[in-house]
Amino acid sequence: SQTIHQWPATLVQPVGSPLSLECTVEGTSNPNLYWYRQAAGRGLQLLFYSVGIGQISSEVPQNLSASRPQDRQFILSSKKLLLSDSGFYLCAWRGLAYTGELFFGEGSRLTVL
Amino acid sequence: GESVGLHLPTLSVQEGDNSIINCAYSNSASDYFIWYKQESGKGPQFIIDIRSNMDKRQGQRVTVLLNKTVKHLSLQIAATQPGDSAVYFCAENTRAGGTSYGKLTFGQGTILTVHP
Repeated sequence: SQTIHQWPATLVQPVGSPLSLECTVEGTSNPNLYWYRQAAGRGLQLLFYSVGIGQISSEVPQNLSASRPQDRQFILSSKKLLLSDSGFYLCAWRGLAYTGELFFGEGSRLTVL
Repeated sequence: GESVGLHLPTLSVQEGDNSIINCAYSNSASDYFIWYKQESGKGPQFIIDIRSNMDKRQGQRVTVLLNKTVKHLSLQIAATQPGDSAVYFCAENTRAGGTSYGKLTFGQGTILTVHP
């Protein structure tokens, strides 16, 4: 069966520090991968999606970047965090490229102080 | 559509009542829709889906209705239970630029609170 792992689960970082959130998927190959952000009490905002290694599409201009160095690995990064980067970050994958539900990880809660 | 900048609407019901959660989607070309349930501190969990060539689909205690004319989606939960308390999101699948992949865009979300 397929599983998705995100880490760290919780992170507290000072403003201006770098960020790296990792997501890996097991049990499937060539998944479509997604990063969403959820601010407190808000909905889910799509940040990045990837259909293959090295292929990243950005949905909104922001202080973050994403990379996909391996087929089942998706990384969310920042060189200098802002207060507004605080939120709940969710990685997701889908097995069928065209349709099909997204399967979400358990999320990474980032607090920038 | 995107929910950034908007506070989530709320729905409060009594245990045993039926709940109806509504969602307006933005893209008339969307071909697939999903309802998710998100409990506090967790990732969203799949509830039920529906393709654009259908107008109704039923699951266990849940029914999704799709009205493409007005771009409206609803989730009906029968005999609501306290364990149903969560945030509910609709999502629409759209294809980008004729490529084979699609992306899911989430709606605003609704907080459902079930009182015993």
